[in-house]
Amino acid sequence: QKEVEQNSGPLSVPEGAIASLNCTYSDRGSQSFFWYRQYSGKSPELIMFIYSNGDKEDGRFTAQLNKASQYVSLLIRDSQPSDSATYLCAVDTYGNKLVFGAGTILRVKS
Amino acid sequence: GAVVSQHPSWVICKSGTSVKIECRSLDFQATTMFWYRQFPKQSLMLMATSNEGSKATYEQGVEKDKFLINHASLTLSTLTVTSAHPEDSSFYICSARGDRGRGHGYTFGSGTRLTVV
Repeated sequence: QKEVEQNSGPLSVPEGAIASLNCTYSDRGSQSFFWYRQYSGKSPELIMFIYSNGDKEDGRFTAQLNKASQYVSLLIRDSQPSDSATYLCAVDTYGNKLVFGAGTILRVKS
Repeated sequence: GAVVSQHPSWVICKSGTSVKIECRSLDFQATTMFWYRQFPKQSLMLMATSNEGSKATYEQGVEKDKFLINHASLTLSTLTVTSAHPEDSSFYICSARGDRGRGHGYTFGSGTRLTVV
């Protein structure tokens, strides 16, 4: 079982819709959870991080964490074509290192 | 905010030569540096973790004699790909972690595209 799992996609949504990205992790000791966006040929850029159960909102982005079910999700409201990218879920266990999922490709169609 | 500078952004080298990639934390002290490799259409794979003044810890399957990591100061870490071969062509990305008071604590460099011909 992979440590961090994501659906590779592509996930296609129309412009203005809500994009929902999901991630599951295997280590119950994981402490911190991150969503990165990566454009082709570029380094990942941080969108959000979340530590506690529940929701965390930042602009059009909402991260949701459920530690009991070991999943974390990212919602993107009012999706824009510029949101088209690969979204990487990363998990930090015991503050030692980040383990990345394979990433989900998001395509927002105008 | 925290900034990590990575150089070069791209490099082309001949097979058999060595290439050095630098990663500098510009406005914070990086107690830990991470080096990742990313092949096309794949995710970031952690190669090694280094703490300032200590030997790097390599992930399983990564040749420590081929990928030399030096973390001599709190602001600089280098990755040297020795005797590079075409299969080493990849996107190499560093990440620095310092004071966790700065948000989440992980800051990524802009990456280095290595092409071995």
